[in-house]
Amino acid sequence: QSALTQPPSASGSPGQSVTISCTGTSSDVGDYNYVSWYQQHPGKAPKLMIHEVSKRPSGVPDRFSGSKSGNTASLTVSGLQAEDEADYYCSSYVGNNQLVFGGGTKLTVL
Amino acid sequence: QVRLQESGPGLVKPSDTLSLTCTVSGASLSNYYWSWIRQPAGKGLEWIGRIYTSGSTNYNPSLKSRVILSVDTSNNQFSLKVSSVTAADTAVYYCARGSIAPDFWGQGTLVTVSS
Repeated sequence: QSALTQPPSASGSPGQSVTISCTGTSSDVGDYNYVSWYQQHPGKAPKLMIHEVSKRPSGVPDRFSGSKSGNTASLTVSGLQAEDEADYYCSSYVGNNQLVFGGGTKLTVL
Repeated sequence: QVRLQESGPGLVKPSDTLSLTCTVSGASLSNYYWSWIRQPAGKGLEWIGRIYTSGSTNYNPSLKSRVILSVDTSNNQFSLKVSSVTAADTAVYYCARGSIAPDFWGQGTLVTVSS
């Protein structure tokens, strides 16, 4: 399976909103509501931020939200804060008990 | 609090087998899938595979011929073996709980393939 497509970078000023896209195909993102998003700070393990397209695990601020339209999923970070600067990865179930990740997006808080 | 800790050699010779173990504390292995994910330096995440407590496994097709996952419920551990390694297998290896949306991750362990 091919990696999901994410923009290499995104940026926003504190307090603004930024949206990161994750594009797949009708066989993965478009076919299953099992898209997840992870935040990774340098040298740290990824942290689950969103699962099943739009569900937030306990403890994740509601500034983080997820959505999906067709073959593209999106992560929106509202009210940007300095600590949101990190790499963000999406993942999707692709059938046949397989999981695939996106290439990652580096979010810069200006 | 669920904690996962990877352990194993940090240096493996080309053509040898990479072996890592993930020790889980604060939770039982039972009734969960457990996954391995890796990340080459400066690159993205790659799903390696998953194992259920019953021993049922699923692998990334690109690695399937070289990967074996196993589980040891008596010690609350699960393991990864990658055979015939090359420099392309150099990466930080993470173990995690869950399969579709891993929620608890280990800190990761760097494995370098070099002679």
